[in-house]
Amino acid sequence: QSVLAQPPSASGTPGQRVTVSCSGGASNIGSNSVNWYHQLPGTAPKLLIYDDHRRPSGVPDRFSGSKSGTSASLAISGLQSEDEADYYCAAWDDNLDGVVFGGGTKLTVL
Amino acid sequence: EVQLVESGGGLVQPGGSLRLSCSASGFNVRGNFMSWIRQAPGKGLEWVSLLNSGGSTFYATSVKGRFIISKDNSKNTLYLQMNSLRVEDTALYYCARDDAFDIWGQGTMVTVSS
Repeated sequence: QSVLAQPPSASGTPGQRVTVSCSGGASNIGSNSVNWYHQLPGTAPKLLIYDDHRRPSGVPDRFSGSKSGTSASLAISGLQSEDEADYYCAAWDDNLDGVVFGGGTKLTVL
Repeated sequence: EVQLVESGGGLVQPGGSLRLSCSASGFNVRGNFMSWIRQAPGKGLEWVSLLNSGGSTFYATSVKGRFIISKDNSKNTLYLQMNSLRVEDTALYYCARDDAFDIWGQGTMVTVSS
């Protein structure tokens, strides 16, 4: 059972907007930045969003992050077939003195 | 080009030891936070350990007391010494840069089995 809770699956059709939620607590999301990663099948994860809402260079602005209280969200607009991947949230946890990941959300593009 | 390349994985018996290496290029490990993250077959990501730029180390509860993270600045390489290995340590082990994990290696597979 992961410290950060994510829905195991999500889906959308091309062009649609989908969101992936990440729920935590006061010791992690409530007091530290949230980062998001996506992992295409058979490849290493890649940073998508850092510091709650910032995009590394090269990440399309179709991807956006937000946070409110102890929950965070990743939004993907203009869904494309190549967005089909696993998505993970992560944050530092002050109680555990370590990084905690969400269990991952498998996004399917229908 | 900024790159991380892991090595040292393999098959080891329960109770055995293994040392993983993560060779960095295009940047210096000296001034960066560096981490190990693992992924068991078919499972999600699990953070293992972090070494910050000040030399402080942090470990997941599941590996504390068994794993040791270190680095050699002269070789620009990060290490993970894994002792008292268990079947549940079987995973693909990635190294990653920075506290945001902005750069990842391709991973090295560790299989613990008798």
